[in-house]
Amino acid sequence: SYELTQPPSVSVSPGQTASITCSGDKLGGKYVCWYQQKPGQSPVLVIYADTKRPSGIPERFSGSNSGNTATLTVSGTQAVDEADYYCQAWDSSTSSVVFGGGTKLSVL
Amino acid sequence: EVQLVESGGGLVQPGGSLRLSCTASGFTFSDHYMDWVRQAPGKGLEWVGRTRNKANSYTTEYAASVKGRFTISRDDSNNSLSLQMNSLKTEDTAVYYCVRAGISGSRPFDYWGQGTLVTVSS
Repeated sequence: SYELTQPPSVSVSPGQTASITCSGDKLGGKYVCWYQQKPGQSPVLVIYADTKRPSGIPERFSGSNSGNTATLTVSGTQAVDEADYYCQAWDSSTSSVVFGGGTKLSVL
Repeated sequence: EVQLVESGGGLVQPGGSLRLSCTASGFTFSDHYMDWVRQAPGKGLEWVGRTRNKANSYTTEYAASVKGRFTISRDDSNNSLSLQMNSLKTEDTAVYYCVRAGISGSRPFDYWGQGTLVTVSS
């Protein structure tokens, strides 16, 4: 089955840039979405189709996807961005949605 | 305003059954694929399954972990989605989210319900 791998945790200082990676075989050939989940809340879509931001999502969130790695970048990270982040893709070979294991972003 | 409201969660014994429901409002339900995603306590997100729209013959897909035990259905006339869960196992304990898949080609999960907790325990 298809797997997406994320680092368990990433730390960043306020105002700095955080990068969260998501790795999978030939991931660059698939569309990747990213979700933010804060404790006790439902996930929120922050990036879709690799690079697109839904309305209402701050411009400091951006995404890229090439080769075997997709990356979520948070520029000028704020304390409010502290959350778990999950990448997601569609695996056409098994007709299933796949999530990465999640990355806890800490703003220290 | 798009709203997805789940109901039906609770405590069930291993081997038992439970039916979850999701009532949708604020959008044209029949246009969208609808999915279920679950999250075990303290764990990550796990996709459960999908029902496509009428234009795609209401076909369904399931995660390997639930295939043959769970069934997703929808009623476009009542804007509702259901998840019938049979032969439940302790590892099915999770918060279950009803999720709308967007219209764009990548079908992002653009709206999520608040979730309903299912606990499988004796």
